[in-house]
Amino acid sequence: KQEVTQIPAALSVPEGENLVLNCSFTDSAIYNLQWFRQDPGKGLTSLLLIQSSQREQTSGRLNASLDKSSGRSTLYIAASQPGDSATYLCAASNDYKLSFGAGTTVTVRA
Amino acid sequence: EAGVAQSPRYKIIEKRQSVAFWCNPISGHATLYWYQQILGQGPKLLIQFQNNGVVDDSQLPKDRFSAERLKGVDSTLKIQPAKLEDSAVYLCASSSPRSYGYTFGSGTRLTVV
Repeated sequence: KQEVTQIPAALSVPEGENLVLNCSFTDSAIYNLQWFRQDPGKGLTSLLLIQSSQREQTSGRLNASLDKSSGRSTLYIAASQPGDSATYLCAASNDYKLSFGAGTTVTVRA
Repeated sequence: EAGVAQSPRYKIIEKRQSVAFWCNPISGHATLYWYQQILGQGPKLLIQFQNNGVVDDSQLPKDRFSAERLKGVDSTLKIQPAKLEDSAVYLCASSSPRSYGYTFGSGTRLTVV
């Protein structure tokens, strides 16, 4: 059974600082890994999808890396802004099933 | 493309009452999922459909929860009778092998009092 862990559970940084969010998973036989953003009381918005054959994906200020052998993925957010405040969830896909971590709640202070 | 549609957005019911949630996936997505997200936790899979057949319902509390996906499109999740611990956000998602990724709806926030 896939277990996904996200550390830290919460993070508070001043505006402009770079963010590093960590995700680890126990079963390396994944199809892909996806990062989501969740605002309070809202659904999940997909940020980045990394296929199992890829090492990283980039979109604007966001960059996600994947190391299957070590069971780790990292989401980098450059030059953080108050609008980046949200909960970030990573999810590993095995056999078309998504297993989620509990998320990292980010607060960017103006 | 239109996103995954869910309704209602919010629902408050008393324990032992019944409730139903509706989901319309992205057109052409054969796989549909229902997730339960309790406050402070990541989403947990309740049931997965491939077209109108159930692929995985191992974590669905079948004594009170039921779900169906008629004609392989829309889906309904029902809880009867509800318990206090069912208070959560219920998320619907769909996926397609071509897109690989999962698209989630806005969710239904259920409060059982």
